[in-house]
Amino acid sequence: EPEVTQTPSHQVTQMGQEVILRCVPISNHLYFYWYRQILGQKVEFLVSFYNNEISEKSEIFDDQFSVERPDGSNFTLKIRSTKLEDSAMYFCASSQDRGWQPQHFGDGTRLSIL
Amino acid sequence: GQQLNQSPQSMFIQEGEDVSMNCTSSSIFNTWLWYKQDPGEGPVLLIALYKAGELTSNGRLTAQFGITRKDSFLNISASIPSDVGIYFCAGRGGNTPLVFGKGTRLSVIA
Repeated sequence: EPEVTQTPSHQVTQMGQEVILRCVPISNHLYFYWYRQILGQKVEFLVSFYNNEISEKSEIFDDQFSVERPDGSNFTLKIRSTKLEDSAMYFCASSQDRGWQPQHFGDGTRLSIL
Repeated sequence: GQQLNQSPQSMFIQEGEDVSMNCTSSSIFNTWLWYKQDPGEGPVLLIALYKAGELTSNGRLTAQFGITRKDSFLNISASIPSDVGIYFCAGRGGNTPLVFGKGTRLSVIA
């Protein structure tokens, strides 16, 4: 069964540094998402992306965050200047359709900010 | 914003017992999803519901989309040790982003 793959599985970064998290969505999916899960808490929506532009974003997704689909397969999340509170699991998800198809999640990248 | 209340927060059950958990929302949803998350992994979709009143099964799992469109439940019958994990409900109304509940941590005692 096709999967969403994320790299790296764990990223350790100094506060203030830039970090890029990478995702390869399922190949025939058109909608892409990033979510965050702080340890022990619920999954929170960050941003959705369709047709090479952001379609929705949450309050968490401020100017420090950006997303990009640099080629036909990768979908990236960049945090420009990381803060301690950015430490979390970051999940990428994709779906064929925005509303009616369920979203399939990757296994996440654990981001640890020192 | 939309809020989801998921209960119970955690459950300890004996192997073989049935389990029930539910979610209620502050507003009407048009999609309910149930996910399971194992430690260190991403949420895995268990059941998707799209119509009020819909009852859907996936093996020993059964979920229903409440007729008020503000609630959903998930039942697991005859629990086994590998059912251990965190179960999340998630839903969306209209074109809003997916909202997750806080999860139900299930522990199964053999």
